[in-house]
Amino acid sequence: GAVVSQHPSRVICKSGTSVKIECRSLDFQATTMFWYRQFPKQSLMLMATSNEGSKATYEQGVEKDKFLINHASLTLSTLTVTSAHPEDSSFYICRAPVRTEAFFGQGTRLTVV
Amino acid sequence: AQSVTQLDSQVPVFEEAPVELRCNYSSSVSVYLFWYVQYPNQGLQLLLKYLSGSTLVKGINGFEAEFNKSQTSFHLRKPSVHISDTAEYFCAVSAGRGSTLGRLYFGRGTQLTVWP
Repeated sequence: GAVVSQHPSRVICKSGTSVKIECRSLDFQATTMFWYRQFPKQSLMLMATSNEGSKATYEQGVEKDKFLINHASLTLSTLTVTSAHPEDSSFYICRAPVRTEAFFGQGTRLTVV
Repeated sequence: AQSVTQLDSQVPVFEEAPVELRCNYSSSVSVYLFWYVQYPNQGLQLLLKYLSGSTLVKGINGFEAEFNKSQTSFHLRKPSVHISDTAEYFCAVSAGRGSTLGRLYFGRGTQLTVWP
């Protein structure tokens, strides 16, 4: 089946720095990528939807300038957490729809210290 | 808009016992329904899905679910669980239109813990 490769799986960064998370579709073209955030023991919250070649659509309450999403090619979508703070610590997951399937990345555990 | 309710946040069960994880949804349109499993610090893995046709859906690892339109439910069942089934389980719904899966709405998750 289709594979979405997400990197890094874990990252620890200092407060105030930026972190980039990548999601690559390995054997298919992902025109759309959904980005989720998951707090401990909670469900997935949709942050934004990226479409190749156009601006991302952000959900209400998600800061566009803090969570920069880029979908420059059909195989790569990135989420950059800018000026990270401890409250941004979370598990971030990407998802690419392929027909009636949903392929998730492995997730990134971000810890901001 | 769609919404998903997973009534049980935690379900403890002994090994080899049967288990049912409940999921109810609300939607004004036809839907696609999914169950996913998540192990710690990992992404989500598809267990099974209902798109159309038979209301009883069989998935991986011995799980099955039944779509009940009148009760707007999609409960997940397994007749005999193993320790390795311990994980978080998410029910999800998407509007059943078009040929490409769009936005998924997730339930809050059910932590299944299997005790020896």
